[in-house]
Amino acid sequence: DTEVTQTPKHLVMGMTNKKSLKCEQHMGHRAMYWYKQKAKKPPELMFVYSYEKLSINESVPSRFSPECPNSSLLNLHLHALQPEDSALYLCASSQEGATNEKLFFGSGTQLSVL
Amino acid sequence: EDQVTQSPEALRLQEGESSSLNCSYTVSGLRGLFWYRQDPGKGPEFLFTLYSAGEEKEKERLKATLTKKESFLHITAPKPEDSATYLCAVITGRRALTFGSGTRLQVQP
Repeated sequence: DTEVTQTPKHLVMGMTNKKSLKCEQHMGHRAMYWYKQKAKKPPELMFVYSYEKLSINESVPSRFSPECPNSSLLNLHLHALQPEDSALYLCASSQEGATNEKLFFGSGTQLSVL
Repeated sequence: EDQVTQSPEALRLQEGESSSLNCSYTVSGLRGLFWYRQDPGKGPEFLFTLYSAGEEKEKERLKATLTKKESFLHITAPKPEDSATYLCAVITGRRALTFGSGTRLQVQP
């Protein structure tokens, strides 16, 4: 199994809502990532978890809250988002979290904030 | 500050018309350069990793090369199914991937 599975595929939420994005991998990878991608732009790193501990937070606003319950699961909790947060949110994983490893990406959650 | 620049921004080819995509970088301490392919509404798919100048990697119609300042992705006799956005990304120091803005390739039959 070489897949990273993200749910939901699409999400529409209001600015006062609380929602969560979920990501799962069963490749035994120990590093997991959240990226944000706006239309026709490259992915931008948000968070990195290595061995279930947050290792990189790219100065992301606190309305985005990551969680790594175990080595196979990664969540992104959303609260009080702004319309400009609408984007494709991508989850990825890699074997150990070493910087020169290839990443395996999920298909993403397309988020619209109204 | 590390910079990764891809050109052209968009490229339209006829089926069978070979071409090259460019990724130029200005980084301190390059630890690896990656090429990914991304289809609309999907996550990037890994293609190649290059680590040192002079290195080349091939996969089907694609060949990636690396110099000290840039990388090229050569596409030989492309097919419509090669249409996608091709992303270059670098790793320096302890940071995770930093992506370039991509080249949107369209191959017409």
